[in-house]
Amino acid sequence: DIVMTQSPDSLAVSLGERATINCKSSESLLYSSNNLNYLAWYQRKPGQPPKVLFYWASTRESGVPDRFSASGSGTDFTLTISSLQAEDVAVYYCQHYYSTPPTFGQGTTVEIK
Amino acid sequence: QVHLQESGPGLVKPSETLSLTCTVSGGSINNYYWSWIRQPPGKGLEWMGYIFDSGTTNYNPALNSRVTISVDTSKNQFSLSLSSVTAADTAVYYCARSANSPYCIGANCNPWFNCFDPWGQGILVTVSS
Repeated sequence: DIVMTQSPDSLAVSLGERATINCKSSESLLYSSNNLNYLAWYQRKPGQPPKVLFYWASTRESGVPDRFSASGSGTDFTLTISSLQAEDVAVYYCQHYYSTPPTFGQGTTVEIK
Repeated sequence: QVHLQESGPGLVKPSETLSLTCTVSGGSINNYYWSWIRQPPGKGLEWMGYIFDSGTTNYNPALNSRVTISVDTSKNQFSLSLSSVTAADTAVYYCARSANSPYCIGANCNPWFNCFDPWGQGILVTVSS
């Protein structure tokens, strides 16, 4: 199985400041035939199921605010919130869909400092 | 807009079979991947398996062949069966949809699943006597 490792496990950021979450996969998620990275990012707010933010590593889901951005390729990926808002408090997960079984990172909790 | 809703018993006895159903509303069940994902208390998310379209299944080997996923297209529902449950199977169980994003090698294209979107609200199932 591909192991997904996120860092940090949690972070506290002041309102309006930048939050950065890293995700590392144990194998490359880049499929050479189509040059796509098979990675998604999710946000889970308390009492809600995960909601997809990005897929193909950097394609923003419709309706996701543009303060969220995602980048990376191969084995190293990053989710950035450029200016943290109160409603962004959540747990964020990365997940690969390069092979089966798809696996998730352990999650990163984002809080307000 | 597609909506998924899990249903089933919230309490299952050890050694019995856990059975859940996911009802899909607002969209067709055809040409999508339909998965079950769970999260035990204090632990991470675990994909259990999917059923594609109306037949092809793929299960997480970690579940040791205890899982079966089936679909009833006439009711727009798909179901999870997990046999021989123990306390370790206590978890919130989610159903989720994935789009079909085929990959192609030359002129040969094969179906493949994309990210999970949307998810059901989740249902807590406790395994206890």
